Amino acid sequence: DAGVIQSPRHEVTEMGQEVTLRCKPISGHNSLFWYRQTMMRGLELLIYFNNNVPIDDSGMPEDRFSAKMPNASFSTLKIQPSEPRDSAVYFCASSLTGAYGYTFGSGTRLTVV
Amino acid sequence: AQTVTQSQPEMSVQEAETVTLSCTYDTSESDYYLFWYKQPPSRQMILVIRQEAYKQQNATENRFSVNFQKAAKSFSLKISDSQLGDAAMYFCASCRGSGGGADGLTFGKGTHLIIQP
Repeated sequence: DAGVIQSPRHEVTEMGQEVTLRCKPISGHNSLFWYRQTMMRGLELLIYFNNNVPIDDSGMPEDRFSAKMPNASFSTLKIQPSEPRDSAVYFCASSLTGAYGYTFGSGTRLTVV
Repeated sequence: AQTVTQSQPEMSVQEAETVTLSCTYDTSESDYYLFWYKQPPSRQMILVIRQEAYKQQNATENRFSVNFQKAAKSFSLKISDSQLGDAAMYFCASCRGSGGGADGLTFGKGTHLIIQP
């Protein structure tokens, strides 16, 4: 089992550019989560999907953020246009049911300059 | 809504000794789960231990154990025989139980654990 796979591991982009983060969950897991980690705010849940359907996107900070899950094996988080305050580590996690825990990817460190 | 509070920003312990990390939570749910995650400098989030709220018995995983006090809404993590590899950020987290699929985790701010050789 390769675990949750995120790409890229690091991303540096200029303000105003579009950024797309990618995630492949563990096969068989039916829930997928996007988190953002910053020093100031800690780990924040941005959005999550159950069976590819967005359930709660109340954590998405602005309309500049969007997420999709076109199938059970792939999800994207897009920021358009990016701003310096979006700089953070973005984690993707998947789970079969919450009871058994959540498996996290290695994260994408995004730097917007 | 759930909240998780970790009141110790940083803890230090001598190698081979025991350390306890504190966590309190608040929830209106009757069915929920609690977790401790470890985040070493590699930034990978690693599940250390989990506890079902309906179980009275405290969870144990090798050197890691919890003290789950449901009435007090307390969920502390005890690390016995501390090792240098235990140095990391530790996050307490909770989620409500759900009938199908999973619900999002709510995290505390974390405790930075330092192991003194």
